Amino acid sequence: EVQLVESGGGLVQPGGSLRLSCAASGFTVSSNYMSWVRQAPGKGLEWVSIIYIGGSTYYADSVKGRFTISRDNSKNTLHLQMNSLRAEDTAVYYCARAYRSCGGTCYAYYFDYWGQGTLVTVSS
Amino acid sequence: QTVVTQEPSFSVSPGGTVTLTCGLSSGSVSTNYYPSWYQQTPGQAPRTLIYSTNTRSSGVPDRFSGSILGNKAALTITGAQADDESDYYCVLYMGSGISVFGGGTKLAVL
Repeated sequence: EVQLVESGGGLVQPGGSLRLSCAASGFTVSSNYMSWVRQAPGKGLEWVSIIYIGGSTYYADSVKGRFTISRDNSKNTLHLQMNSLRAEDTAVYYCARAYRSCGGTCYAYYFDYWGQGTLVTVSS
Repeated sequence: QTVVTQEPSFSVSPGGTVTLTCGLSSGSVSTNYYPSWYQQTPGQAPRTLIYSTNTRSSGVPDRFSGSILGNKAALTITGAQADDESDYYCVLYMGSGISVFGGGTKLAVL
């Protein structure tokens, strides 16, 4: 059974840093695309970042240069390092497996499994 | 900045049919955007409904269907049930690793 369990959320001051983790079971993180999606309180879902099987990483403009997605293959875990945090980064952060939708030179994907999320609050 | 547009809210009667749409602030949605759809109830993680325009995710009942209607992606629910009352989000793949969520549609069944 596929499971994704996020951890590492909490309260942090503006300008601070936090590292989120997503422990996966039932599949191998390094053999899949993996992504982070967030949801600010009372707002919609927002795609944050993705890491491809080959290690390529991509980010939403809102977090580019501040957030870093990575994976620890030995622990089958996905991470999101968040630096220079702002109040607008306050959200529930979901880890999701992203399944490739097409082949060849097409790298589209969709989210097929989701974790339950971890809350990040940026406030002084 | 490309914006993915969805109706903010919609209502449907129990047993009725409703079509939610997913468009672009500039341009048309096609299958090349590999539209996907997700359902979310308050306090819960999203649930995957449809991917690659019209493929139902495992376990999703066939009263949920996806398509391209005109210049938008569409999610149609036939025979709406009370527990379909949720928020629905579409996602479009923009290329270069980037995906964009629509703002979501709050569906009421009443």
